[in-house]
Amino acid sequence: GAVVSQHPSRVICKSGTSVKIECRSLDFQATTMFWYRQFPKQSLMLMATSNEGSKATYEQGVEKDKFLINHASLTLSTLTVTSAHPEDSSFYICSARGTTGGHTEAFFGQGTRLTVV
Amino acid sequence: QKEVEQNSGPLSVPEGAIASLNCTYSDRGSQSFFWYRQYSGKSPELIMSIYSNGDKEDGRFTAQLNKASQYVSLLIRDSQPSDSATYLCAAFYSGGYQKVTFGTGTKLQVIP
Repeated sequence: GAVVSQHPSRVICKSGTSVKIECRSLDFQATTMFWYRQFPKQSLMLMATSNEGSKATYEQGVEKDKFLINHASLTLSTLTVTSAHPEDSSFYICSARGTTGGHTEAFFGQGTRLTVV
Repeated sequence: QKEVEQNSGPLSVPEGAIASLNCTYSDRGSQSFFWYRQYSGKSPELIMSIYSNGDKEDGRFTAQLNKASQYVSLLIRDSQPSDSATYLCAAFYSGGYQKVTFGTGTKLQVIP
């Protein structure tokens, strides 16, 4: 399948600082990128959907000023967690959709485990 | 009503048996369906996609789609302990906006 690279895989930051997570589609153009959060033993929770060059659409309950999403190109989207707090500690996963073999499929990045201390 | 529903499990099957995972969806406009496997602490991995009614086979995996019943299933033949994971069903809708909706996942345990 197509490759989606997410970086960093793990990050520990101090409370009050900001963290940026990158998501890149390496071998296809991602028309749409999704950002998810997953707490231990829980299912994926969609945070926001972004299309290249457009503002992200946030799910209800997700603070857009806290979770800044930028999708500046067809291969790169970033999620910045601003003023992080311990309750933001979670597994953040991006997913990119593009057209492969005539069909559109979504592929996931490796995920970023964020720990706020 | 959740848009994509799955039984959370756990579904336990003995090694070598067939594991059957089921998923229903509510949006009739959904066009494409996907099965992902997620190991604990890891990101989901796409294992099957299906777009038209009927069966699609890939190795030990068979995906089945019935759009009239709004039902998608995944069969895993000759189940192995390494198949133990959470399986996520997803439906894609594109009708003016793009939306991929995931079920909450079914945990599969293959007993050696």
